Amino acid sequence: DGGITQSPKYLFRKEGQNVTLSCEQNLNHDAMYWYRQDPGQGLRLIYYSQIVNDFQKGDIAEGYSVSREKKESFPLTVTSAQKNPTAFYLCASTPGQGYEQYFGPGTRLTVT
Amino acid sequence: AQSVAQPEDQVNVAEGNPLTVKCTYSVSGNPYLFWYVQYPNRGLQFLLKYITGDNLVKGSYGFEAEFNKSQTSFHLKKPSALVSDSALYFCAVRARGGNKLTFGTGTQLKVEL
Repeated sequence: DGGITQSPKYLFRKEGQNVTLSCEQNLNHDAMYWYRQDPGQGLRLIYYSQIVNDFQKGDIAEGYSVSREKKESFPLTVTSAQKNPTAFYLCASTPGQGYEQYFGPGTRLTVT
Repeated sequence: AQSVAQPEDQVNVAEGNPLTVKCTYSVSGNPYLFWYVQYPNRGLQFLLKYITGDNLVKGSYGFEAEFNKSQTSFHLKKPSALVSDSALYFCAVRARGGNKLTFGTGTQLKVEL
């Protein structure tokens, strides 16, 4: 099957711990994205990467970090500096500008 | 800066009736416009897009949308709603030459028998 996988589906952490969310795609897409979804706020862009070994901050990058060492993988680390980490996190990829983004199933992170 | 407005948090419609979910946008230059649907605790699914050409765009599951440049709108429509259409719908815009997709806050569609 081709697509985007995110794991795990649900993740629980204690406050003060860093946590890494996985995102893998086998679509051969160059560009990948991380979004955060909160009720009533739509999707907000955290980080994006258009090519391996390069990434840019989105609108709400503070408290997050990413890496893009392989085309297929774009992991997101939620650090202890993120004030309100509890949210639904979505990863997406796209083959190019005029194309739609393909979304993974999401990871729901709960920090207590 | 680009933005998307979905003025209705929720739209209620009876099954079999036509539905409209509204979207207006602001972007520099000509836009790429998208509609996505999300079911509970799932990722977003692509419905349709406007890139260029015909202003009326047809997409998945019988949905369509009309691009209106003068009104900067891209409303989603379906002639006959189904209960299974009940979900959260997002409109999104991307500037040509831009790298980022900006989403609206979403509209919850509820179709009742």
